[in-house]
Amino acid sequence: KAGVTQTPRYLIKTRGQQVTLSCSPISGHRSVSWYQQTPGQGLQFLFEYFSETQRNKGNFPGRFSGRQFSNSRSEMNVSTLELGDSALYLCASSLGHPATNEKLFFGSGTQLSVL
Amino acid sequence: GESVGLHLPTLSVQEGDNSIINCAYSNSASDYFIWYKQESEKGPQFIIDIRSNMDKRQGQRVTVLLNKTVKHLSLQIAATQPGDSAVYFCAENMAGGSEKLVFGKGMKLTVNP
Repeated sequence: KAGVTQTPRYLIKTRGQQVTLSCSPISGHRSVSWYQQTPGQGLQFLFEYFSETQRNKGNFPGRFSGRQFSNSRSEMNVSTLELGDSALYLCASSLGHPATNEKLFFGSGTQLSVL
Repeated sequence: GESVGLHLPTLSVQEGDNSIINCAYSNSASDYFIWYKQESEKGPQFIIDIRSNMDKRQGQRVTVLLNKTVKHLSLQIAATQPGDSAVYFCAENMAGGSEKLVFGKGMKLTVNP
């Protein structure tokens, strides 16, 4: 069974631009979560989607948004990029309802550099 | 990528030794805990998990210990191998909480041959 797939693997943007990252979860997984990883802050939760609905949201500004499609694939968007948005963006999928305890399976991430 | 390991505490061990990585978690209401391993240029990889109704769980070469009294979690790796070199994260979850998993800051394990 294929793992979590994230595209693109690397991305370079300039300040003020916007970016869209894509994630395909493991087949059969319906919950998708996004995390931002930086050397200074570690892994920070962005948001979680289940059945095309945003279930939970972390403490990030409104420039960060996401969505989930009917096939469980998810995208996240960052508008008006800032230098501090440079990070590894990780997508993770899991099987069932977000209210239950379950392990997350991570993709390899998209490394975003903002110049 | 490689920058994941920057600014992190580091544990260096000799190949064949046992390693112990510790983690203090933050929420006394958390009832599920996971250890992840992250290698360079990869996402976090699941190692082992434990629920709050247990205090010890063993896997292949790994053991997780949970002390709820002091909110402490540890990962023991037996006969550490060079392939165990990575950054290790503990993560906690409270069922019905606002975040799927809350991650610790991580520790970089370096295994010397």
